[in-house]
Amino acid sequence: DIVLTQSPGTLSLSPGERATLSCRASQSVSSNYLAWYQQKTGQAPRLLIYGASRRATDIPDRFSGSGSGTDFTLTISRLEPEDFAVFYCQQYGVSPWTFGQGTTVEIK
Amino acid sequence: QVQLVQSGTEVKEPGASVKVSCKASGYTFHSYDFNWVRQAPGQGLEWMGRISPYNGDTDSAQKFQDRITMTTDTSTSTAYMELRSLRSDDTAVYYCARARPLDNWGQGTLVTVSS
Repeated sequence: DIVLTQSPGTLSLSPGERATLSCRASQSVSSNYLAWYQQKTGQAPRLLIYGASRRATDIPDRFSGSGSGTDFTLTISRLEPEDFAVFYCQQYGVSPWTFGQGTTVEIK
Repeated sequence: QVQLVQSGTEVKEPGASVKVSCKASGYTFHSYDFNWVRQAPGQGLEWMGRISPYNGDTDSAQKFQDRITMTTDTSTSTAYMELRSLRSDDTAVYYCARARPLDNWGQGTLVTVSS
């Protein structure tokens, strides 16, 4: 199984600051089938990024994804109050699909 | 708009089975796979498996293969996930989610396994 390791575990930032989240895979993610999801407390996850760098429908352009192979990054250029949540990366190229353990972005 | 509406909270005893439903609307039902993902309390997301409503093909994570059955009913645009031989560590919120990647999610169904 492909293991996804996210870092850091927790990111403490203020609104307006830039957030950089990392996702490292134990082996190359085929066709860059790497997605990022945001989950707020008590809610279902929401797709943000797919194909490593493509924004999903209605996702603001302050969210961007980059990377290839085994190293991927989610960047939030300027944090808005509604952005604070848990973020997960997921590979959907090889079965079983796997998720990272999550990064919490909290208000400093 | 796409909507996935799941069945309600379940409480089961160890050893029992649970069947969760996920009713889809707002798109052509057989055009996208259904996935099942679970989340134990305070934990991360775990992919369980997927099913094609088009041809019934399934794929599941090895740890669930002998306990999970996924089906779809095209007449009602509903997907089902049954998990058997429940244990306490199956206590979780179970989500259905559409497509690859997971672009729309149900609201989640809490399944509690307790004696």
